[in-house]
Amino acid sequence: NAGVTQTPKFQVLKTGQSMTLQCAQDMNHEYMSWYRQDPGMGLRLIHYSVGAGITDQGEVPNGYNVSRSTTEDFPLRLLSAAPSQTSVYFCASSPGRSDTQYFGPGTRLTVL
Amino acid sequence: GIQVEQSPPDLILQEGANSTLRCNFSDSVNNLQWFHQNPWGQLINLFYIPSGTKQNGRLSATTVATERYSLLYISSSQTTDSGVYFCAVERYNQGGKLIFGQGTELSVKP
Repeated sequence: NAGVTQTPKFQVLKTGQSMTLQCAQDMNHEYMSWYRQDPGMGLRLIHYSVGAGITDQGEVPNGYNVSRSTTEDFPLRLLSAAPSQTSVYFCASSPGRSDTQYFGPGTRLTVL
Repeated sequence: GIQVEQSPPDLILQEGANSTLRCNFSDSVNNLQWFHQNPWGQLINLFYIPSGTKQNGRLSATTVATERYSLLYISSSQTTDSGVYFCAVERYNQGGKLIFGQGTELSVKP
């Protein structure tokens, strides 16, 4: 199993550009989530999904959209990037809501 | 919302020393996990421990849910233990919403 994979590893955007961060898992996990990590802080939940077709907001959802059309994939979309979205983004998955979570390697995003 | 506080914020150890990291939380939880973020940024799950005690090699963890704290013990530390240790909790009836503490940064010197 590859586990949780994320692409790209690094990305630089200009303010106002849009992009999609990709996340995929091959463990048939129902639950997937996106977090951001800023310097000196722990991770903060952006959006999560408890299964295909079902998503919900976390602590810091503004400026981000998600969808879950398949069990395997959970992309995160930035519609109009802002410098405040410069961060490291982690995707995670778990078999269920209150289970051990497995994290991807992260995407380092810089918005100029 | 629930507050998660970790202590100490920083810790420097000599190789071979033991340490205890603490996580306090402000409300009842049904999920508590400890993670290690290595110097390359990868997050590794160490323990899923909403209550009780677990051990894995040189690491062990204890959660006392009624008193709202958890402890992570590292014995005979090695340089590879360096990194940031995070505690994360999930409140009852908030399935899937993990709230992270700010972490303890551990540096183990040879």
